[in-house]
Amino acid sequence: AQKVTQAQTEISVVEKEDVTLDCVYETRDTTYYLFWYKQPPSGELVFLIRRNSFDEQNEISGRYSWNFQKSTSSFNFTITASQVVDSAVYFCALSVASNSGYALNFGKGTSLLVTP
Amino acid sequence: DSGVTQTPKHLITATGQRVTLRCSPRSGDLSVYWYQQSLDQGLQFLIQYYNGEERAKGNILERFSAQQFPDLHSELNLSSLELGDSALYFCASSVEQVGDEQFFGPGTRLTVL
Repeated sequence: AQKVTQAQTEISVVEKEDVTLDCVYETRDTTYYLFWYKQPPSGELVFLIRRNSFDEQNEISGRYSWNFQKSTSSFNFTITASQVVDSAVYFCALSVASNSGYALNFGKGTSLLVTP
Repeated sequence: DSGVTQTPKHLITATGQRVTLRCSPRSGDLSVYWYQQSLDQGLQFLIQYYNGEERAKGNILERFSAQQFPDLHSELNLSSLELGDSALYFCASSVEQVGDEQFFGPGTRLTVL
């Protein structure tokens, strides 16, 4: 079975602070895909990044960076110099080819509040 | 804008009723997924269609059903509604290659009174 754990339910930071959102996953499959999605207060789900299990390279996109470590089954997300617009719920998700097709298994989400 | 459209945006109905939620995938995407987001259950996968055929089922109740039409739009039918069915229902689409990112529509917020 697949499982994604986001242990941090809520995080509150002051603007310009760096913040890391943790994601731990469980799967017995050797081929899998990890994702991060953002859900701002408006409610839509916005795709941020996808990583496959064979690519452990970290990725940086502007103020966002992702650290994928298979040894600890983690796929953490860091926002550098946070801004108020980063306030949202962030979801980590896992996908494997299984009898659930390629459905996304989501974690419970981490609610990030960035205050001025 | 993800390119995925969902209608209606809001739906208020009574227990016991039946509703239909509609989704149009991004142009070129053959796969449609339905997810339910509720406070207690989080984001849960319901069902997937690929090019008109059911591909996979998740935690979908027997009272719920879906289909995908030849033009690739999809409908999710919810019947005998209960208070607990109140949730945000998302549709997502992808090209349907392994590990594709899924692009989500704006969701339909269903309130059952």
